[in-house]
Amino acid sequence: QKEVEQNSGPLSVPEGAIASLNCTYSDRGSQSFFWYRQYSGKSPELIMSIYSNGDKEDGRFTAQLNKASQYVSLLIRDSQPSDSATYLCAVNVPYSGGGADGLTFGKGTHLIIQP
Amino acid sequence: NAGVMQNPRHLVRRRGQEARLRCSPMKGHSHVYWYRQLPEEGLKFMVYLQKENIIDESGMPKERFSAEFPKEGPSILRIQQVVRGDSAAYFCASSPSAGTAGYSYEQYFGPGTRLTVT
Repeated sequence: QKEVEQNSGPLSVPEGAIASLNCTYSDRGSQSFFWYRQYSGKSPELIMSIYSNGDKEDGRFTAQLNKASQYVSLLIRDSQPSDSATYLCAVNVPYSGGGADGLTFGKGTHLIIQP
Repeated sequence: NAGVMQNPRHLVRRRGQEARLRCSPMKGHSHVYWYRQLPEEGLKFMVYLQKENIIDESGMPKERFSAEFPKEGPSILRIQQVVRGDSAAYFCASSPSAGTAGYSYEQYFGPGTRLTVT
């Protein structure tokens, strides 16, 4: 059974600070990891993908992956009130044949950026 | 708009009726995934399709639910004899291709269809 765990929050961070979101996953076969942002009543929006151990930076966002610890995180620098949303961690386990299976999502962390 | 399109955006059905949800993938994408998000719950994978093929339907309820992605036209998620527990947001996502060497391409989500069963 694939599981992805996130702290539901809310996580409250002052404007301008760094927001740190964490995620753990259970399946050691997982190879692909994604962070999505979802505003209330809207659809998930892809922020980052990461496939290799280490850090991946894109603008104010940095994704970190540690496969040995089965841990993936998202850092948001210079947090803005518009970053207030639910952040979903998603993991993909490949299936035989090399195809892309459906994503397994965590329940999300509700982030609040305080002005 | 080259994004994933879904229609209708809102759908109201009485118990026992059929619901048909449509999804057109992003231009250049040939892989479609359906997800369901129940109130206060996370997104759950339902089914993965390529043109004319169901690749993985491990997340689909065994009864009343079916999906197709014909050679021409959008992918359709069909729910027969809807019940109140089917009320949820249904999202479609697409990717350009199957993954390679065990890695998956990114999936992009449409705006969703919010189904309400009365």
